[in-house]
This record gives sequence, C-alpha cells and structure tokens, in this order.
Amino acid sequence: KQEVTQIPAALSVPEGENLVLNCSFTDSAIYNLQWFRQDPGKGLTSLLLIQSSQREQTSGRLNASLDKSSGRSTLYIAASQPGDSATYLCAAPNSGNTPLVFGKGTRLSVIA
Amino acid sequence: DTAVSQTPKYLVTQMGNDKSIKCEQNLGHDTMYWYKQDSKKFLKIMFSYNNKELIINETVPNRFSPKSPDKAHLNLHINSLELGDSAVYFCASSQDGTTPRETQYFGPGTRLLVL
Repeated sequence: KQEVTQIPAALSVPEGENLVLNCSFTDSAIYNLQWFRQDPGKGLTSLLLIQSSQREQTSGRLNASLDKSSGRSTLYIAASQPGDSATYLCAAPNSGNTPLVFGKGTRLSVIA
Repeated sequence: DTAVSQTPKYLVTQMGNDKSIKCEQNLGHDTMYWYKQDSKKFLKIMFSYNNKELIINETVPNRFSPKSPDKAHLNLHINSLELGDSAVYFCASSQDGTTPRETQYFGPGTRLLVL
C-alpha cells in the first residue's frame, strides 16, 4: 500500500529565497506523481504532474523532480513570493488503477 | 468556467440527519472521485467512479454512497450523520481513471459540520 510522506511539515522563508519541498513514497511502481497547491479554505490546484518515465517537469518558477528508484520527489520554487504562501501537497497513486494517495503537505509561508 | 463544481460550499447539520453533496464536472472526463480531508488536513480517497461503475471503495462506512445520474455528475449521499463525519469533502475528476496518467482536477470542497 502506497504511503506518501512530506518534509518539512511547515516552512517559513523570506521573500526572494529559493526553496525545496520534499516528498517520499514507498511504492515506486507509480504511473505518475503530482504536486498540488491548497490555499486556506480553498480546493486543490494541480501544479505539476510528472510521468513515471520523466525525471522532471517545469512550470514557470516551479520545478519538480522524480527519482523512482529512491522513492523521492522534490518541488523547487525559485525566487519565492508572498503569493506562494500555501500548503503544497504531493500525491502518488498506488500501482494499478487506484486514485491518489496524498502526503500531509508542507505549509509554506513567504514573508515579505 | 468552473471545471469541477460542488454544492453546497458549507453544510451545517444535526447528528442523525441524511444529507447530499453534489458534484459536477464540465471537462468530459470519464472518472470522478470523492476525497475526505479531516481536521488534521489529511486528504484521503473515498470513492472513484467510472462509467457508472464503482472502481474503488476505500472501506468507508456504508452510510456513505456515491450516486451518478450521468457521466458529468457524482453526488455523495450520507445517511445518519455522525460527529466524526465533520470534514471537508472534495470532488475530483480525471480523463482516464483506469490508468491514472492524467491530472486530477479538484472542486472547491464542501465543508461539512455535524453538530
């Protein structure tokens, strides 16, 4: 059964810093891995999806990497801004046709 | 245009009542899901539904039942509500649920409070 862990649980950085959020998963037989953003009281917004055959995906200031062999993914945020403040969730499916298994998230605060 | 919508946004009700949460997606997706986010913000799958067929039921109580009148809708019915049912419920959809190679799109959530 897939288990997803995210470290750290919370992170506070000054504006402009580059930062890395970590995600680990126990079952490497995954089709893909997704990173989501959740703002307080809001739903989830998909940020990046990395297919199992890919090593990284980029969208603007965001870069997500995937290392299936070690069961790890990272989300890199460049030049952080106060608007980046949110909870970032990593999610991976079990192998087969099961839905996503989520980590508990990293709560990011970017201080102006 | 909202891709995945849920109603109501907030739901406050008494223990023992029966309630429903509606979900609609206008993306033409084949698979829809219900997730529960508890007080500790942990998000867990409850159901996934593909072409009127329940694919996965993650051992939720049978008081919870998904109902799909058509491909674009997956409603969640909850009978005999309990205090522990208080949570945020998210609906989601994806193009192909049999092999999850596509992004899942989430609704804004329904905040349920059982008194």
